Amino acid sequence: DAMVIQNPRYQVTQFGKPVTLSCSQTLNHNVMYWYQQKSSQAPKLLFHYYDKDFNNEADTPDNFQSRRPNTSFCFLDIRSPGLGDAAMYLCATSPRTRAFETQYFGPGTRLLVL
Amino acid sequence: AQSVTQLGSHVSVSEGALVLLRCNYSSSVPPYLFWYVQYPNQGLQLLLKYTSAATLVKGINGFEAEFKKSETSFHLTKPSAHMSDAAEYFCAVSDQGSGNQFYFGTGTSLTVIP
Repeated sequence: DAMVIQNPRYQVTQFGKPVTLSCSQTLNHNVMYWYQQKSSQAPKLLFHYYDKDFNNEADTPDNFQSRRPNTSFCFLDIRSPGLGDAAMYLCATSPRTRAFETQYFGPGTRLLVL
Repeated sequence: AQSVTQLGSHVSVSEGALVLLRCNYSSSVPPYLFWYVQYPNQGLQLLLKYTSAATLVKGINGFEAEFKKSETSFHLTKPSAHMSDAAEYFCAVSDQGSGNQFYFGTGTSLTVIP
């Protein structure tokens, strides 16, 4: 089945130690998104890629960066994780950026910062 | 600007009873509306979406939602709750002014009592 895959499902890192989360998709979608979801809150969009074009949300901290080396893969890099960055990180894809397009979500990576 | 309000962060129903989860939106242009379900430690799964066709939308797992422009609402219903419906439910809005950016509500946690 076509899907969005996130690895690992659980990630533990230390305060200030860089960490990378990965997402891959077999849907061949042009758009990939990264969301941050803190406990009992709505997902918050960090940034998205349309093909290789990177779109950063205005309030996304500089500590968060992303790479998309090809259509299938997208990475979220947290340069210096703080305790406040502990959250579920969700990757999503959609065929295009039209408003009616469904976004397809992966299972998420739960990040714990010690 | 677009926004979504989900009334009731927690809803409890008895097994077999009607499920009603409320969603009100604000949008300056015709909206597209989505309901997603999130089971514990999993990503978001699309239940249904409204894209300006029929105002009554049927989704998976017996859920449906009705778009009411006059009330700016898109409430989610299911005639008979099942234990497996216990989850977090998110309403989201997008419109042509926002491209494919979703604005999520803060979610409603549904508990089903046996």
